[in-house]
Amino acid sequence: LAKTTQPISMDSYEGQEVNITCSHNNIATNDYITWYQQFPSQGPRFIIQGYKTKVTNEVASLFIPADRKSSTLSLPRVSLSDTAVYYCLVGDIPNNDMRFGAGTRLTVKP
Amino acid sequence: EAQVTQNPRYLITVTGKKLTVTCSQNMNHEYMSWYRQDPGLGLRQIYYSMNVEVTDKGDVPEGYKVSRKEKRNFPLILESPSPNQTSLYFCASSLSQGQLYEQYFGPGTRLTVT
Repeated sequence: LAKTTQPISMDSYEGQEVNITCSHNNIATNDYITWYQQFPSQGPRFIIQGYKTKVTNEVASLFIPADRKSSTLSLPRVSLSDTAVYYCLVGDIPNNDMRFGAGTRLTVKP
Repeated sequence: EAQVTQNPRYLITVTGKKLTVTCSQNMNHEYMSWYRQDPGLGLRQIYYSMNVEVTDKGDVPEGYKVSRKEKRNFPLILESPSPNQTSLYFCASSLSQGQLYEQYFGPGTRLTVT
């Protein structure tokens, strides 16, 4: 199971692009990279998932370099409502080895 | 609306009094699981179920029981709650174990055991 490392916290301002990087040096060949968002007192919400290169959806983009030892979640033009904890998860599907780490607490300021 | 529901949302109880937290999903998902979330410890999996009548322990199963008699329901049972089970509990589901990383989480149940 690949261990992930993320910054504990980040601050940003409304309208800025935010990039949160996750390090996973021991990622295995079959591992996928998944990001979740969690607001206070709510359950985590799936944001995006990828295996390599770039994935984009209506919420975010996920950049994964060729060596896959890290990944970057990019949130375009954040607003106050993007203040949340963001979790990076790495693991093999379909094994039951999904683990949430401490996450990155993003605070968006006006 | 596709969702995972949990009841109750808030519960205060006393040590030793058996309780059940219900979880239901309306998405015909095969895979369901329970997590607890504690400050500084993050989300930890308690039990999971890959399908009806199939359950298995997660990382912190002690003191908990589950059952999966129907596909949509996955109740969490605390036979004799203790104060160290005071926590925020989340139920989650995914289409199958193959889509494990795309889980849908419920709104949470905040449990206090005195």
